[in-house]
Amino acid sequence: ETGVTQSPTHLIKTRGQQVTLRCSSQSGHNTVSWYQQALGQGPQFIFQYYREEENGRGNFPPRFSGLQFPNYSSELNVNALELDDSALYLCASSLWDTDNEQFFGPGTRLTVL
Amino acid sequence: AQTVTQSQPEMSVQEAETVTLSCTYDTSESNYYLFWYKQPPSRQMILVIRQEAYKQQNATENRFSVNFQKAAKSFSLKISDSQLGDTAMYFCAFMQYNTDKLIFGTGTRLQVFP
Repeated sequence: ETGVTQSPTHLIKTRGQQVTLRCSSQSGHNTVSWYQQALGQGPQFIFQYYREEENGRGNFPPRFSGLQFPNYSSELNVNALELDDSALYLCASSLWDTDNEQFFGPGTRLTVL
Repeated sequence: AQTVTQSQPEMSVQEAETVTLSCTYDTSESNYYLFWYKQPPSRQMILVIRQEAYKQQNATENRFSVNFQKAAKSFSLKISDSQLGDTAMYFCAFMQYNTDKLIFGTGTRLQVFP
């Protein structure tokens, strides 16, 4: 069984740029959730994808967008980067409406200069 | 809206001792899950223990147990026989039924000393 993987591990961007983060879900999982974890804080829910459709969104602006592919992997895109977007971005996969356990990836550390 | 509060930013405990981490939450829902997640330094977040709100019995996983007080909206984590490997950030989290969306507290940094 392959766990949740994320790429890249680290990323440095400048304000105004765009970034794409990637996540491969655990084998057999059909749901992917993305979280933003600022330094010293708990993760904040960005959005969730289930069977390639957005299935819930947190309090994040539209410049945060995502995709889920037929193999259930996912991308998080952030446009017009701001300094406050600097954070650890976590992806979690799960099997919808079962035991609700979410399995987290190692995260992508994004630094915006 | 649901909220999760962890009032202890940092805790420390000596190896082999017992420590309790506190968590309170606020919700108007009656069906939900509560979780404790562990995030070791520079490592992945992993599930420690889970409690379903409709179950009165407190969940237990080896050295980890919870004290779930539904009326008080309290969900504390007790770690018995603390080990050096328990050193990590611990997050309490809430999930409403049929959402798969976790709402996290701000975390408690636990340091286990030899």
